[in-house]
Amino acid sequence: QSALTQPASVSGSPGQSITISCTGTNSDVGNYNLVSWYQHHPGKAPKLIIYDVTKRPSGVSNHFSGSKSGNTASLTISGLQSDDEADYYCCSYEGGSNSWVFGGGTRLTVL
Amino acid sequence: EVQLVESGGGLVEPGGSLRLSCATSGFNFNDAWMSWVRQAPGKGLEWVGRIKSKRGGETKEYAAPVKGRFIISRDDSQNTLDLQMNSLRIEDTGVYFCVWVNVGWFHSWGLGTLVTVSS
Repeated sequence: QSALTQPASVSGSPGQSITISCTGTNSDVGNYNLVSWYQHHPGKAPKLIIYDVTKRPSGVSNHFSGSKSGNTASLTISGLQSDDEADYYCCSYEGGSNSWVFGGGTRLTVL
Repeated sequence: EVQLVESGGGLVEPGGSLRLSCATSGFNFNDAWMSWVRQAPGKGLEWVGRIKSKRGGETKEYAAPVKGRFIISRDDSQNTLDLQMNSLRIEDTGVYFCVWVNVGWFHSWGLGTLVTVSS
């Protein structure tokens, strides 16, 4: 199973909005609404921030939002804050192999 | 509070074996599906495998790179998850995370344990 494609890095200033894309195929992102997103501060436990494409777990800030169009899912972070600086990973169920595939990760820098 | 604490990582030679464990608390482990996810140095996350609950048949699935070499098991009496890793390769090096799976997403993660495969 091939990794989903994410940009290696994105950046933005405090208060701005950024979007991270996650491109897969019609065997994963395009065929299932089982896309999730994780925030990872290195050295800490990764944290679920979006599941089922658009849903936010309890306690996760509403400045995180998710969407999907075709084979590409997106994570939008609005009103950037300094503690949003982290690595972000998308993940999708892959039906052909009954497995899970992650994106390569995107490093977000808050300028 | 949900807690997942991995242990058992270390340095092992190529071809060797290592057993990782994950101690859990704060949720109903008996009904939980569990996974291992790893991260090679400087790389992204990679799903390793999953075990369903006993009620789900304890079915196991593995990623292609580890299938036939790694075995996931669980002890519901101790609320622990294990990963037996055999025939280890250099490319198995990384941090291994224990994860509570909720249907289609990875709900809660541990801090991970580092496995280094090197001669």
